[in-house]
Amino acid sequence: AQSVAQPEDQVNVAEGNPLTVKCTYSVSGNPYLFWYVQYPNRGLQFLLKYITGDNLVKGSYGFEAEFNKSQTSFHLKKPSALVSDSALYFCAVRGRGRTNAGKSTFGDGTTLTVKP
Amino acid sequence: SAVISQKPSRDICQRGTSLTIQCQVDSQVTMMFWYRQQPGQSLTLIATANQGSEATYESGFVIDKFPISRPNLTFSTLTVSNMSPEDSSIYLCSVEDLGQTKKNYGYTFGSGTRLTVV
Repeated sequence: AQSVAQPEDQVNVAEGNPLTVKCTYSVSGNPYLFWYVQYPNRGLQFLLKYITGDNLVKGSYGFEAEFNKSQTSFHLKKPSALVSDSALYFCAVRGRGRTNAGKSTFGDGTTLTVKP
Repeated sequence: SAVISQKPSRDICQRGTSLTIQCQVDSQVTMMFWYRQQPGQSLTLIATANQGSEATYESGFVIDKFPISRPNLTFSTLTVSNMSPEDSSIYLCSVEDLGQTKKNYGYTFGSGTRLTVV
């Protein structure tokens, strides 16, 4: 079975500082990994994904994530946080096998608060 | 990426009644996924809907409670049957974005249906 862990319920950073939102995963074989953001009373928005290739992937709004196979991690990062980045962030994994074809498993989410 | 129109966006329903949620996609997709999300919490997959076959339900979800229709490759409905206050949640549909090469480009979600059962 595939699973995702987001060890921090809450991350607080000051505006202008770098931010990291952590994610580790468990899946058979090579994973597809995703980050989504959800603003209050709004749907999920796709941020970025890792499928193959470079371990550092760049996504929307200046976010990036680093795939680390040995640590089974896919942490979300941004060099300089904005107050408008405050939202709920979800990491998700999708296996490549036929058993879980197309299904994504989501982490519990991390609330990011960026203070001015 | 695909665009999904989901409706209703919200509803308040009496216990014991049923609500049908619709998702229309602007392109043909093989699989559609239905999720439930408690406010501020994670998403839980209810079922996977394939056109032309019965939906595949995840553990803890059954067809009698959450019947799903998938009449064609662009449309699906989820019905929440015989509702109780415990069914109050946000329900979302999702599709996998596949390019012309059938590679995964992420997932698109509907805007969600916020259901309150009183």
